[in-house]
Amino acid sequence: AQKITQTQPGMFVQEKEAVTLDCTYDTSDPSYGLFWYKQPSSGEMIFLIYQGSYDQQNATEGRYSLNFQKARKSANLVISASQLGDSAMYFCAMSRYNFNKFYFGSGTKLNVKP
Amino acid sequence: DTGVSQNPRHKITKRGQNVTFRCDPISEHNRLYWYRQTLGQGPEFLTYFQNEAQLEKSRLLSDRFSAERPKGSFSTLEIQRTEQGDSAMYLCASSLPSYEQYFGPGTRLTVT
Repeated sequence: AQKITQTQPGMFVQEKEAVTLDCTYDTSDPSYGLFWYKQPSSGEMIFLIYQGSYDQQNATEGRYSLNFQKARKSANLVISASQLGDSAMYFCAMSRYNFNKFYFGSGTKLNVKP
Repeated sequence: DTGVSQNPRHKITKRGQNVTFRCDPISEHNRLYWYRQTLGQGPEFLTYFQNEAQLEKSRLLSDRFSAERPKGSFSTLEIQRTEQGDSAMYLCASSLPSYEQYFGPGTRLTVT
């Protein structure tokens, strides 16, 4: 069975600092995808970044990077140069290789302090 | 086209009533997903459509839940005989044959 674990219910970071949000996963599938989504207080889920299980390099999208450690089954999100607008809930998610079904973690609430 | 739309945005119903929600995906997206999200939790997968075919359905969906996408465009999610435990945000997402899902604003259901 697929499972996503986010062990940090809440995190604080100073504006302009970097922050790492933890995510571990469990799957027996050889091919899968890992994702991070942002959910601001307005409620709409926003896709941030994707990593395929066979991708050799860690994914990056602007200030977001995914630290993928396959042997450890971890997919941590690194946000560089935090901004006040980064304050939100962040969800790690996993899908099968065909993107037919997604599994989400319980989320981490990030607060960026000025 | 500005994104995925969901209607209604809020629904209050009495226990035992039936409710139906609608999702209009981004027009060229053939993939459509429904999720349920309760307060403080991540989205929970309910079902997946590719065009009009329902290809995945969570075991969490009881017989009271049904979803359709009759022409491969909009989709409806119906809950029959609602229970207080059905109170949640119901999210719809769509995508191309790719990994990036676009989520709608959700329908918040309150069962009294």
